[in-house]
This record gives sequence, C-alpha cells and structure tokens, in this order.
Amino acid sequence: EAQVTQNPRYLITVTGKKLTVTCSQNMNHEYMSWYRQDPGLGLRQIYYSMNVEVTDKGDVPEGYKVSRKEKRNFPLILESPSPNQTSLYFCASSLGRGTDSYEQYFGPGTRLTVT
Amino acid sequence: KNQVEQSPQSLIILEGKNCTLQCNYTVSPFSNLRWYKQDTGRGPVSLTIMTFSENTKSNGRYTATLDADTKQSSLHITASQLSDSASYICVVSAGGGNKLTFGTGTQLKVEL
Repeated sequence: EAQVTQNPRYLITVTGKKLTVTCSQNMNHEYMSWYRQDPGLGLRQIYYSMNVEVTDKGDVPEGYKVSRKEKRNFPLILESPSPNQTSLYFCASSLGRGTDSYEQYFGPGTRLTVT
Repeated sequence: KNQVEQSPQSLIILEGKNCTLQCNYTVSPFSNLRWYKQDTGRGPVSLTIMTFSENTKSNGRYTATLDADTKQSSLHITASQLSDSASYICVVSAGGGNKLTFGTGTQLKVEL
C-alpha cells in the first residue's frame, strides 16, 4: 500500500530535549516536505527536499533541522524544542514540485507537546 | 504577499443537502489550485488539482471550479453525507518555485 508514515504519532517532551520525528514514504517520490498545523493558521511549510541531499527552507524553518540521506526518509529534528513548537506536524511527499501539479500525499500526523 | 482566504469559516448542513465552499487567492504567478479534505486528527487528502486552463473538475460528489481572472475557486458538494464532515482546505501553488500557500480551511459539519 502506497503511504507516508510518521513516528511517533504522539509525543510529549520537555524544553531543550532533542527529538527526531521520522518520515518515510514507499512511493519513490522525489519531493518531500514538513508542515506544521496550528489552530487558525493553517498548514505552514517548515522545510522541503527536492531529492537526496537537496533541502531548503520553507516559511517557518527556525528551530528545525532536516536531512535527506535516502530517498524514502526525511526526518525532522528539533535540537532544542521550545513550547512554541507545540503543534501538529505533517510530512508529505509527491513525485515532483508543488508547481508541477503532482498529487501530494500526507502522513497521519505527529502531535507534539513541549512543556 | 501570497494569500488564500476561505469562506465560510464553518458551516453546518443537513444530510442530503448541497453546499458550496469559497476560496479567494492573491497568489502570483498562479500555477495550480488544490482542494483537500482533512478529517479530524488525520492528514489532508487531495480532492482535486486544477491548472490555469481548467475551470472545473469533479471527483465523485465533489466539483471544484476555478476562475483565474477573478482569482476565485469554489468547491461544491452534492448530496452531502455524514462522512463529508471535515475541514476543506484550499491550496494555491505559485509558479517558479515550490511555494504552496494554504488557506485556513472551512470546517463542515453534516448533521442528520
């Protein structure tokens, strides 16, 4: 089954404790991205990757890191989480860029709470 | 600044009725417009993708329209079902890059 998986689905952590949210897709997609969703703000792009070893900042990259060492995986790293990073996070993948009209597939989401 | 505005913010309708959701955008240059359905606590799922040259696209009971001149789109849901209860998000892509601008969504509730 074609899908995007994220782990963990739920995470409660404390300020400053490094964490990684994993994202994996089995569709051989080149394009992957991370979003956060907050009430009243809609989805905002954090980082995206056009292919292996190619990443770039989205709208809200501060406090986040990503890496793309393999085509299928695109982990999101919070080196020193803060309470304002409490949010619902989604990973997504597609064959190509958003401007190329390829369908984008979203993962199930990771609800992160930073206390 | 690229913006996508959706209306209404929320809507309650009776099962079996039709409804129309609106999306206005100021994204430039326009590349494509997407409608997503997002069930509570789940990731968005694509309903339609329309490019500049398309002015209507259907996916079952969902029909999206696009007027690129007025920069407006609508999503029409026919014969609503309880399972249509969800947030519907309009997303516009700008040409020349990877920028996707998301609306804040319309929360639809279908009641018996």
